[in-house]
Amino acid sequence: EPEVTQTPSHQVTQMGQEVILRCVPISNHLYFYWYRQILGQKVEFLVSFYNNEISEKSEIFDDQFSVERPDGSNFTLKIRSTKLEDSAMYFCASGVVPAGELFFGEGSRLTVL
Amino acid sequence: TQLLEQSPQFLSIQEGENLTVYCNSSSVFSSLQWYRQEPGEGPVLLVTVVTGGEVKKLKRLTFQFGDARKDSSLHITAAQPGDTGLYLCAGARSNYQLIWGAGTKLIIKP
Repeated sequence: EPEVTQTPSHQVTQMGQEVILRCVPISNHLYFYWYRQILGQKVEFLVSFYNNEISEKSEIFDDQFSVERPDGSNFTLKIRSTKLEDSAMYFCASGVVPAGELFFGEGSRLTVL
Repeated sequence: TQLLEQSPQFLSIQEGENLTVYCNSSSVFSSLQWYRQEPGEGPVLLVTVVTGGEVKKLKRLTFQFGDARKDSSLHITAAQPGDTGLYLCAGARSNYQLIWGAGTKLIIKP
């Protein structure tokens, strides 16, 4: 069964360092998303991506964040200069239609020290 | 800001009991999805409801979409420890944005 895969599963980084989280969405999906979930808290929308551009982003997705689909299969989230409060589980999701069923990856846990 | 409020935030009950969790908003959604998330994993879709008044059943889980498409409920009959998890609802707006609730954390004690 096709699935969304994410790497790394866990990354520990120093504050101020750049981090790239990688996702391989399901191959025939067209809509891609990044979500964040701080431990014990709600799932927070970061950004949606369609047709090689950002279609929507939240207030959390400031200038420190960027997304890219460099090669038609990977979908990456970059955090340029990490802050302590960026520590969270980051989920990638993909879907066939907008606001339709989302298929989530297992998440990348980011710990900023 | 459009909100989707879930209640209760936390529920701990004994195996075999019934429960209902709610997802409410003042706004209309074109559809509403329910997901379950287990610790350390991503959310997994349980069901999508589209029509006002729609009721969908998934084994012991019954999902209902309100007539006005502003609210939804999830009823679990004879809860089992395997039902433990975070239940999330997400409403789709007409502009295709998904609005997420904060979730109901459910613990079923054996």
